[in-house]
Amino acid sequence: DAKTTQPTSMDCAEGRAANLPCNHSTISGNEYVYWYRQIHSQGPQYIIHGLKNNETNEMASLIITEDRKSSTLILPHATLRDTAVYYCIVRAPRFTLVFGKGTRLSVIA
Amino acid sequence: GAGVSQTPSNKVTEKGKYVELRCDPISGHTALYWYRQSLGQGPEFLIYFQGTGAADDSGLPNDRFFAVRPEGSVSTLKIQRTERGDSAVYLCASSLNLTPDTQYFGPGTRLTVL
Repeated sequence: DAKTTQPTSMDCAEGRAANLPCNHSTISGNEYVYWYRQIHSQGPQYIIHGLKNNETNEMASLIITEDRKSSTLILPHATLRDTAVYYCIVRAPRFTLVFGKGTRLSVIA
Repeated sequence: GAGVSQTPSNKVTEKGKYVELRCDPISGHTALYWYRQSLGQGPEFLIYFQGTGAADDSGLPNDRFFAVRPEGSVSTLKIQRTERGDSAVYLCASSLNLTPDTQYFGPGTRLTVL
């Protein structure tokens, strides 16, 4: 049980912001929200994580709703190299990552 | 610095054979994880180590699968009597400590069982 719901696929125009939603309505108070992405034929790559505050790093921003039941990953200026499968993960208490099927983001020139 | 490395990158074997897959974690990372990824699916947890000990092996599908990390660094995933259903990409990841540290993944080993 991945505990998250994501759209199967999304398109985004190159240079525009990509906003990837994730629902995690059963998240527990001590569980973090993690985002990873997987470019074709590579291992997953860590993007960002957060508990309840919004977070930003050099790759992306993570916006978590006040009730923590959903979040949005924002890639501010998507490039063709951002084409990948994006996984939203609520970290399980066993400290491992439970991946769902993710969102396949296609950045279009 | 060097990331997580895995060898071999590809392994083709015949049904019933024994295989070993190797993972070299990032230097200094105490936690090491193995995942398996089938085509079109997200990675599936198999086992993780904290130091030399397997802290959680609940994801191993059956007793044909075994993993070791004898010196707390390199890990080997061992699969006995391989079956066609074992064909997948086997991913290794490491992290500096346990949660909430992030996991850094290697490129994976693609195992094909004929």
